[in-house]
Amino acid sequence: AQKVTQAQTEISVVEKEDVTLDCVYETRDTTYYLFWYKQPPSGELVFLIRRNSFDEQNEISGRYSWNFQKSTSSFNFTITASQVVDSAVYFCALSGAPSNTGKLIFGQGTTLQVKP
Amino acid sequence: DTAVSQTPKYLVTQMGNDKSIKCEQNLGHDTMYWYKQDSKKFLKIMFSYNNKELIINETVPNRFSPKSPDKAHLNLHINSLELGDSAVYFCASSQDSGRPYGYTFGSGTRLTVV
Repeated sequence: AQKVTQAQTEISVVEKEDVTLDCVYETRDTTYYLFWYKQPPSGELVFLIRRNSFDEQNEISGRYSWNFQKSTSSFNFTITASQVVDSAVYFCALSGAPSNTGKLIFGQGTTLQVKP
Repeated sequence: DTAVSQTPKYLVTQMGNDKSIKCEQNLGHDTMYWYKQDSKKFLKIMFSYNNKELIINETVPNRFSPKSPDKAHLNLHINSLELGDSAVYFCASSQDSGRPYGYTFGSGTRLTVV
C-alpha cells in the first residue's frame, strides 16, 4: 500500500519565523517520485518540487528547502523567514513507478498561517 | 496560454441534474487525470487516461463518466447529481503515465449541488 502522512494539520507562525512541514511516505516501489504543492486561498495547486527516489540531495530554492531522507521515508519542507504570502495549504504527494500509472497519492495537507 | 484549462470554474446545480466539466491541455502530454478535493481538502484521483485509453478508474460511482475524445481533452460527465458530489474537481496532465513528469493541474472547478 502507498501512503503519505502529513501529521501537522495546522501550523501558525509569526512572519520571519522558520517553519518545517513534515511529510512521511510509505511505498514498496523502488522507483518513486515525491512532490510538494502549495494551495493558496485562491484555490489553484501550485507545483513546488518533484524529487525522484534516486536523488537524495537536498534542494534549496530561495527561502524554500527540502530534506529528503530515504532512511526515515521523509520528505520535509522548510520555509525560511516566512512571509504572509506563504499562508496556504501545503500538500506532499507520492507517485510510484510504474505501479501507480502516474497517479499522485496526496497527504492530508498542512494549513500554514503566517501572521504579520 | 493556459497549460491545463477547465471550464466552468464554478458550477451550481440542483440535485438530480446532469452536468459536464471540460478539460483541455496544450502541453502535448499523453496522460490526463481527474482528481476530487472534498470539503476537508483531501485530494484523491478519480480517473486517468493515457492516449485516450482509460488506465485508472478508482472506486467512483457509475454516475461519473469520463470521456477523452483525443489526448488533449478529458471531460467529466456526472449524472443524477447528489449533495455529496459537491467538491472541487481538478484536471491534470503529465508527460506519460510511467513517469509523472511535467505534472500540471488546472485551476479547478468548484461544483456545488443544492
